[in-house]
Amino acid sequence: EAQVTQNPRYLITVTGKKLTVTCSQNMNHEYMSWYRQDPGLGLRQIYYSMNVEATDKGDVPEGYKVSRKEKRNFPLILESPSPNQTSLYFCASRDRPTWGAQYFGPGTRLLVL
Amino acid sequence: GIQVEQSPPDLILQEGANSTLRCNFSDSVNNLQWFHQNPWGQLINLFYIPSGTKQNGRLSATTVATERYSLLYISSSQTTDSGVYFCAVAPPITGGGNKLTFGTGTQLKVEL
Repeated sequence: EAQVTQNPRYLITVTGKKLTVTCSQNMNHEYMSWYRQDPGLGLRQIYYSMNVEATDKGDVPEGYKVSRKEKRNFPLILESPSPNQTSLYFCASRDRPTWGAQYFGPGTRLLVL
Repeated sequence: GIQVEQSPPDLILQEGANSTLRCNFSDSVNNLQWFHQNPWGQLINLFYIPSGTKQNGRLSATTVATERYSLLYISSSQTTDSGVYFCAVAPPITGGGNKLTFGTGTQLKVEL
């Protein structure tokens, strides 16, 4: 089944404790991205990647890191999480960087205490 | 950046009723998608429809790109249709992967 997977689905952590949210897609898509969703602010893009070893900032990159060493994986790293990073996070992928349908993972609910 | 407006913001229907959701956007697009966010938070792809008309069961969508709007039709609504419906668009590439910009959504509740 073609899909985007994320892990963990739910996470409670404390301020300053480094964490990684994994994202993987099995559709051989070139383009991957991360979004966060917050009440009243909607969905905002954090980072995107147009292909392996090609990443760039989205609208709200502060406090996040990403890497794209393999085509299928695009992990999101929070080096020192803070409470304002409490959010619902989505990973997404698309066949080509500039067109085509975008598919979203199931989401990761993160609470930073 | 491109602006996306959805209407109505909230909608309550009786099961079996039909509805039309609207998405207006402020500039040319080469990507337009409709999503359903279910009560568990998952974003479900409904349609990829930068232009034209598509149908999938009780749902159909039409995009008139020249007039910068898209419509999502839900017929014979069911309680499982409840949730938030998002329209998301992206302009033709100007550098960097063309990011989807989301509207604020239509919150739909279908009652028995």
